[in-house]
Amino acid sequence: TQLLEQSPQFLSIQEGENLTVYCNSSSVFSSLQWYRQEPGEGPVLLVTVVTGGEVKKLKRLTFQFGDARKDSSLHITAAQPGDTGLYLCAGGLRGGPSNTGKLIFGQGTTLQVKP
Amino acid sequence: DTGVSQDPRHKITKRGQNVTFRCDPISEHNRLYWYRQTLGQGPEFLTYFQNEAQLEKSRLLSDRFSAERPKGSFSTLEIQRTEQGDSAMYLCASSLPIGGKTGELFFGEGSRLTVL
Repeated sequence: TQLLEQSPQFLSIQEGENLTVYCNSSSVFSSLQWYRQEPGEGPVLLVTVVTGGEVKKLKRLTFQFGDARKDSSLHITAAQPGDTGLYLCAGGLRGGPSNTGKLIFGQGTTLQVKP
Repeated sequence: DTGVSQDPRHKITKRGQNVTFRCDPISEHNRLYWYRQTLGQGPEFLTYFQNEAQLEKSRLLSDRFSAERPKGSFSTLEIQRTEQGDSAMYLCASSLPIGGKTGELFFGEGSRLTVL
């Protein structure tokens, strides 16, 4: 059972187009993070959202956390070839005695931006 | 370089052999995670440590897998009697919990395992 469902799993677009990636779950998360991964490297954090309804912007990237903290979206405006990569959402689950838990990843969205 | 380092970067082995991967986290991070990732998919959680204590293990971590962090610094992940299905990238990450929530994970570049 996949806790975090990402869609679409693969996206190929032309430079300059806009796109949105979705991350959905039936679980409530204490925080949600978006990572970007390039081939042969580990994922690198883009943003963390912690409050329901929160919106964060990072240049051409806009991240939103759902009001119920069960879903999130990543919107890229005017995509560029340098945006090509694997985008991963990851939810922080409440843990045990330490009250912090593991991070669960979605399946990922492979984005290809053609020049 | 003070990032997370993993060794070896690549390992090719024959089915049935044992392999061990090492992870050196960022020195001040008390949390260390192991994930497994196959091509084009998201990382799957295996286990994590807070200092030397192993707090949680995934059901993916069969009896053939064991992870240790004896002194709360570096960690090792051993796979015994490897099977072809073990072929994957094994990622290590470290973090500092922030405000009771899971902090940013800093990943190493991974150890790619190929079982022939």
